[in-house]
Amino acid sequence: TQLLEQSPQFLSIQEGENLTVYCNSSSVFSSLQWYRQEPGEGPVLLVTVVTGGEVKKLKRLTFQFGDARKDSSLHITAAQPGDTGLYLCAGAYSSASKIIFGSGTRLSIRP
Amino acid sequence: EPEVTQTPSHQVTQMGQEVILRCVPISNHLYFYWYRQILGQKVEFLVSFYNNEISEKSEIFDDQFSVERPDGSNFTLKIRSTKLEDSAMYFCASSALGTGVTEAFFGQGTRLTVV
Repeated sequence: TQLLEQSPQFLSIQEGENLTVYCNSSSVFSSLQWYRQEPGEGPVLLVTVVTGGEVKKLKRLTFQFGDARKDSSLHITAAQPGDTGLYLCAGAYSSASKIIFGSGTRLSIRP
Repeated sequence: EPEVTQTPSHQVTQMGQEVILRCVPISNHLYFYWYRQILGQKVEFLVSFYNNEISEKSEIFDDQFSVERPDGSNFTLKIRSTKLEDSAMYFCASSALGTGVTEAFFGQGTRLTVV
């Protein structure tokens, strides 16, 4: 079974704090995506990482792809209430394959 | 900004009825997907479609499901005889091949309720 495990499942922190969420698998991916999903809406693509060890930044969000291309992390600096949402990682095994999703990390930022 | 559009946004149907969910992928994309998400659960892959044929399908995508690209713009998912457990959000996605990277862009979804 192809699995992407995300941790933690839930995270509630105070505004201004930093946080890291993780996405792990025993499989090697050709690329890994991070999405954000609001209730009742479709996943919105945040970033794609392709190269082992790659780091991408999107304002206060930093995404890293593991050296072995099996895992990834999302770090948020100085979290804001607007960061509240469901963060999903998703991996693809090749350039023309399906994407499989992790179960998500539900993030809540308290004002 | 180009986006994937899905219709209808909500569909209520009686058990045993056929439903067709419609999607207009991003115009220059060549690879299309259907996913579903049962309330509170993860996003699950159903099927991928390229060059007018199914590329890959999951165990969920049984004989009750079919996909079609009836013209140059629409991509549809048909469920022939709906069951209660088909109630879910159904998402269409599309990807531009040729970049060497799979980046799927998702529509807003169709909420299907089978009663």
